[in-house]
Amino acid sequence: NAGVTQTPKFQVLKTGQSMTLQCAQDMNHNSMYWYRQDPGMGLRLIYYSASEGTTDKGEVPNGYNVSRLNKREFSLRLESAAPSQTSVYFCASSEAWSGGDTEAFFGQGTRLTVV
Amino acid sequence: SQQGEEDPQALSIQEGENATMNCSYKTSINNLQWYRQNSGRGLVHLILIRSNEREKHSGRLRVTLDTSKKSSSLLITASRAADTASYFCATVPYGQNFVFGPGTRLSVLP
Repeated sequence: NAGVTQTPKFQVLKTGQSMTLQCAQDMNHNSMYWYRQDPGMGLRLIYYSASEGTTDKGEVPNGYNVSRLNKREFSLRLESAAPSQTSVYFCASSEAWSGGDTEAFFGQGTRLTVV
Repeated sequence: SQQGEEDPQALSIQEGENATMNCSYKTSINNLQWYRQNSGRGLVHLILIRSNEREKHSGRLRVTLDTSKKSSSLLITASRAADTASYFCATVPYGQNFVFGPGTRLSVLP
C-alpha cells in the first residue's frame, strides 16, 4: 500500500522551462491537494480537487495549472518556471474535502529549484 | 495570514523532558489536527481533536483544545531523539479545508 506517490523527488529547471509534477494515491480518496512549503511559511495551498472532475484555486495559484486526470491522479504543471517557484511541493489526499474526521495523507515531496 | 500559528517557532530540549507546543487560530473550527514532519519527508498525521472535545491522548501525545481561547497545545512526554521533527497544527474551519500553521521545529538532544 504505497499511499501518496509523487514524482520526481528532485528537479532543477531553468527559468522559462515547463514541467509537470505527478501525484497518485491508492487509498480511493475523493480529494487531492497540491501545497508548496517555503521556510517560515508553512504549507500553502496551490490548488485542490474536492472530488474527481473538479479543481479549485487555493491560496497561491498564480503560475500553476492542475489536472485531475482520474480519481487516483492529480498533476501540477508549471508552464513557465520562475525562480520564485523554487520550493518543496507536496501532494496530499483525503477521504473528503471537508466535514467529518478526515485527515490528510502526504507524499514525500518534490524539491524544485528554478535557476 | 495564517489561520493557525504555532508557538514557539523552535524548541530545544533534552531527551526525557516534556515538549509543549501551542497553536492559536482565528475562526471557528470543525476540528484541529497535529502533524509531524521529519526532515526531508512529507507530513504525517498524529492526532485529531474535535471542536467539542477538550483533551485527547495517543501514546505519549496529549492534545488539548480551548475553543473559547481558540488555542490548542500538543504535549509530548518523555521525549526521545526520534521525536526531533517539525510539528504543524492544521485547523479545519467549518465548510473549509485544512489550513496549516508555519510549524514548530523541535530538537531533542541526547
